[in-house]
Amino acid sequence: QVQLVESGGGVVQPGTSLRLSCAASGFTFSNYAMHWVRQAPGKGLEWVAVISYDGSNEYYAYSVKGRFTISRDNSKNTLYLQMNSLRAEDTAVFYCARARSGYSVFDYWGQGIPVTVSS
Amino acid sequence: EIVLTQSPGTLSLSPGERATLSCRASQSVSSGYLAWYQQKPGQAPRLLIYGASSRATGIPDRFSGSGSGTDFTLTISRLEPEDFAMYYCQQSGSSFTFGPGTKVDIK
Repeated sequence: QVQLVESGGGVVQPGTSLRLSCAASGFTFSNYAMHWVRQAPGKGLEWVAVISYDGSNEYYAYSVKGRFTISRDNSKNTLYLQMNSLRAEDTAVFYCARARSGYSVFDYWGQGIPVTVSS
Repeated sequence: EIVLTQSPGTLSLSPGERATLSCRASQSVSSGYLAWYQQKPGQAPRLLIYGASSRATGIPDRFSGSGSGTDFTLTISRLEPEDFAMYYCQQSGSSFTFGPGTKVDIK
């Protein structure tokens, strides 16, 4: 069955960096675009970034563009999110999600990993 | 950016009742790019409906989606105890945005 497992979250200070990972299994990872979506405490869902199946294309939400970088290693079935210059408003649970087809809907989600940015 | 508005914010119903949730877009969304998700506290969202009206794998047929253009609806024909949750609509026709959600709680 499809499994997505995030790791790398934690508590960090403003201005620092963190890299999230998402290990995928149960499907041919290299055939699917992948997304990161986040949810601030008590808030709704916010799309963060998407990467194409082969890593050749990336798109970002305005709120993270220039600070976050999405990448993937298809040989390791792993998705990454490098987060730099973190701000308090980046505090959220981060989910990786598979795109059902193209870049469209998110058909499978990881369990989420919390990131807290606080001094 | 396409802004999605969901109504009502909270829907208080009893098990067995019909739930009708609305999602309105600030500009037209191709039906192929409108989806609905269910989220329970402490859990990841789950895809219910894609393409405005197609049920995702394993979703019971009491869930149905409809609509086009700027107005979309998620209907739960008869609420089961496990259906009390938060529901989000999402569009992927122009970037990716979510609505603020509708909470379906027990009356």
